[in-house]
Amino acid sequence: DTAVSQTPKYLVTQMGNDKSIKCEQNLGHDTMYWYKQDSKKFLKIMFSYNNKELIINETVPNRFSPKSPDKAHLNLHINSLELGDSAVYFCASSVTGGAGNTIYFGEGSWLTVV
Amino acid sequence: AQRVTQPEKLLSVFKGAPVELKCNYSYSGSPELFWYVQYSRQRLQLLLRHISRESIKGFTADLNKGETSFHLKKPFAQEEDSAMYYCALGGSGGSNYKLTFGKGTLLTVNP
Repeated sequence: DTAVSQTPKYLVTQMGNDKSIKCEQNLGHDTMYWYKQDSKKFLKIMFSYNNKELIINETVPNRFSPKSPDKAHLNLHINSLELGDSAVYFCASSVTGGAGNTIYFGEGSWLTVV
Repeated sequence: AQRVTQPEKLLSVFKGAPVELKCNYSYSGSPELFWYVQYSRQRLQLLLRHISRESIKGFTADLNKGETSFHLKKPFAQEEDSAMYYCALGGSGGSNYKLTFGKGTLLTVNP
């Protein structure tokens, strides 16, 4: 009955590869997010989607392409992986994306690029 | 622009001691403040939100608009409180809502 679930939880891959992280929420929320937590534990928003529409894109490189097939899913595809992409990626969701709503996070996906 | 400052990267206290994790924010609109906690290699969990004015696991936080602060306090720390704590600011209400996080404070409660 996990609210926000991400797969895979751990991913080790070589530079230059393309990889995807999937995210699903069963909370009925219509806004979903991707956050990145770097090696210094700093959390920063990457993207948000509301009802499958891209709302926030925080100057993320074009190699990162989110895809939202429906409002319960927000997948993150990363092309040509670089060493600096190593981080923990958290998916999250909230009801409307408006003020007053709580954002719920997934367990995180640990990406290591070697 | 939204900005959150947590001045202490690390905080170490002994069990039973009071603890205060500092958080200051900068935001031109009406702020929504939150505290999230992350136990080792786990997801971020909501601990408190200022509009609820509730106490969770003995923690409280009061929004002080004059000082633009939202410090997290607990009178008697427990070893299980050891975790990373993030202060977060929600703003820009509407569909482009987002949380801006501080850099986090790693709390260690020693026996």
